[in-house]
Amino acid sequence: GAVVSQHPSRVICKSGTSVKIECRSLDFQATTMFWYRQFPKQSLMLMATSNEGSKATYEQGVEKDKFLINHASLTLSTLTVTSAHPEDSSFYICSAVQGYDTEAFFGQGTRLTVV
Amino acid sequence: TQLLEQSPQFLSIQEGENLTVYCNSSSVFSSLQWYRQEPGEGPVLLVTVVTGGEVKKLKRLTFQFGDARKDSSLHITAAQPGDTGLYLCAATGNQFYFGTGTSLTVIP
Repeated sequence: GAVVSQHPSRVICKSGTSVKIECRSLDFQATTMFWYRQFPKQSLMLMATSNEGSKATYEQGVEKDKFLINHASLTLSTLTVTSAHPEDSSFYICSAVQGYDTEAFFGQGTRLTVV
Repeated sequence: TQLLEQSPQFLSIQEGENLTVYCNSSSVFSSLQWYRQEPGEGPVLLVTVVTGGEVKKLKRLTFQFGDARKDSSLHITAAQPGDTGLYLCAATGNQFYFGTGTSLTVIP
């Protein structure tokens, strides 16, 4: 299957700083990328949907000024957690699809710890 | 928004037992997928079902898509410790929503 690379896999940052997470589709062009947040033993909660070249669509309750998403190319989307706080600590996962109603491919996830 | 409700949320069984996980929604989907996720990793696709009433088998796993394409089930026969993980159904379309998840633990 197609490969989606997410980086970094783990990051520890100080409270108040910003952290950028990258999601790259390595062997296909991703028309849409999705960002999820996951707490232990819970499902993936969709945070936002991003389409290349347009603004991301955020799910209800997700602060768009705090979780900045940029989808500048068909192979790269970034999630920046701004002014991070300990409650932002979580597992963040991206996925990418090549078209409508097709299989999604997932990154390996990023474990963010804010201290 | 959680469009897909899974049950049970947690399940702990002995090796060799059978189990069924359900994924229900009030919406109709063109297709539905099942994933398995291990801690610290991304979900891995198990199967995609697209036709109402469709049944797919993957070794000891049997997947069924409801006739009305609103629900699905995953049945595992003779569960093994290696089946332990988080099972997620997901609906495809303009957005990609996951179900609430079922955390399965198979005890040796």
